[in-house]
Amino acid sequence: NAGVTQTPKFRILKIGQSMTLQCTQDMNHNYMYWYRQDPGMGLKLIYYSVGAGITDKGEVPNGYNVSRSTTEDFPLRLELAAPSQTSVYFCASSYSVAINIQYFGAGTRLSVL
Amino acid sequence: DAKTTQPNSMESNEEEPVHLPCNHSTISGTDYIHWYRQLPSQGPEYVIHGLTSNVNNRMASLAIAEDRKSSTLILHRATLRDAAVYYCIRVNDMRFGAGTRLTVKP
Repeated sequence: NAGVTQTPKFRILKIGQSMTLQCTQDMNHNYMYWYRQDPGMGLKLIYYSVGAGITDKGEVPNGYNVSRSTTEDFPLRLELAAPSQTSVYFCASSYSVAINIQYFGAGTRLSVL
Repeated sequence: DAKTTQPNSMESNEEEPVHLPCNHSTISGTDYIHWYRQLPSQGPEYVIHGLTSNVNNRMASLAIAEDRKSSTLILHRATLRDAAVYYCIRVNDMRFGAGTRLTVKP
């Protein structure tokens, strides 16, 4: 059982480049989340989804886009990368929004230079 | 402010109990308290959750104050593998603050 899988693990981007961070889960969870974690800080919610075709903004959505065409996949798109987007990105999923136990991926470490 | 409040860091000796406190004075009656931990270079990992009464599982215990304004995560016998950052969050908010960095000394 793989759980939540994120790819790539590491990436270096140049300023202005774009990329997509992939996230897939095999637990048939409806709820999925993207967080970023800056060094020494807690996690901040970027976007979340309550099911296929439904997404909503979190605390820090600027500079990012998401889509949710299937239950399994929740990719995060960075357009026009900026140094401020250097961070570790975590994807998570959960089966119930009431209790909302989240299962996290191993993260993608992104540097924008 | 809807945030939870935790000490920045705590230390423990190996095989001793550890009590990690969290204040959540603005919590609503239906808001679950969750604890996660994050080992170095890994994603957060769920530890335990509760609503009103104390809870136990194989990883830890959770003691919730009667007025629900605070809770305490209890690791009964700390091991070196328990060294991590521990986050206390309110489910209706899902904001991860800086957490408590637990150091376990051999």
